[in-house]
Amino acid sequence: AQSVAQPEDQVNVAEGNPLTVKCTYSVSGNPYLFWYVQYPNRGLQFLLKYITGDNLVKGSYGFEAEFNKSQTSFHLKKPSALVSDSALYFCAVRAIDVGAGSYQLTFGKGTKLSVIP
Amino acid sequence: GAVVSQHPSWVICKSGTSVKIECRSLDFQATTMFWYRQFPKQSLMLMATSNEGSKATYEQGVEKDKFLINHASLTLSTLTVTSAHPEDSSFYICSAARDRNQPQHFGDGTRLSIL
Repeated sequence: AQSVAQPEDQVNVAEGNPLTVKCTYSVSGNPYLFWYVQYPNRGLQFLLKYITGDNLVKGSYGFEAEFNKSQTSFHLKKPSALVSDSALYFCAVRAIDVGAGSYQLTFGKGTKLSVIP
Repeated sequence: GAVVSQHPSWVICKSGTSVKIECRSLDFQATTMFWYRQFPKQSLMLMATSNEGSKATYEQGVEKDKFLINHASLTLSTLTVTSAHPEDSSFYICSAARDRNQPQHFGDGTRLSIL
């Protein structure tokens, strides 16, 4: 079974400061990792993914995430937070080596990011 | 690219009504679409996986006869909530993926309110 933990329900950060939203995962085999963002009453928007290659992945809106295999983590980061970054962030995982047709993602419970002006 | 359109965005209807929600991939073909349900302040709960031209695969605890899924083409999947009751009120979100190595792209969701 695969699982995702986002240990913080809420993260508050001042505008202009760096932000980190934490994610750890558990999966059999190699992971395929994602970050999505959700604004109120909207669906999820894809931010970035990691499947292989460089451990530091760059995504949309200046976000990046660092894959750490030994710590089974995939924390989302941004050097300088904007008020418009305030939203709900979801980390998701699935195993790369799955049967044909199996694309299911397991999502974390989400972390609410509030950027304070 | 990779736009997913979900319609309607908001539905309010009486108990006992059946409601159909459409999910379309506008600029790509999706062999697989997913239907999720999201409760307030909670994560997404996968309801079913929909493959074009075949029956949907439902997650444990999801009633197949209540949540009818049809994946008629590579760009359209529909979810019909049959004989809806107040406890079915929720935010329903669909997603679509080009293939197993591509991210899922999500619709904007449908807020369903059953009176």
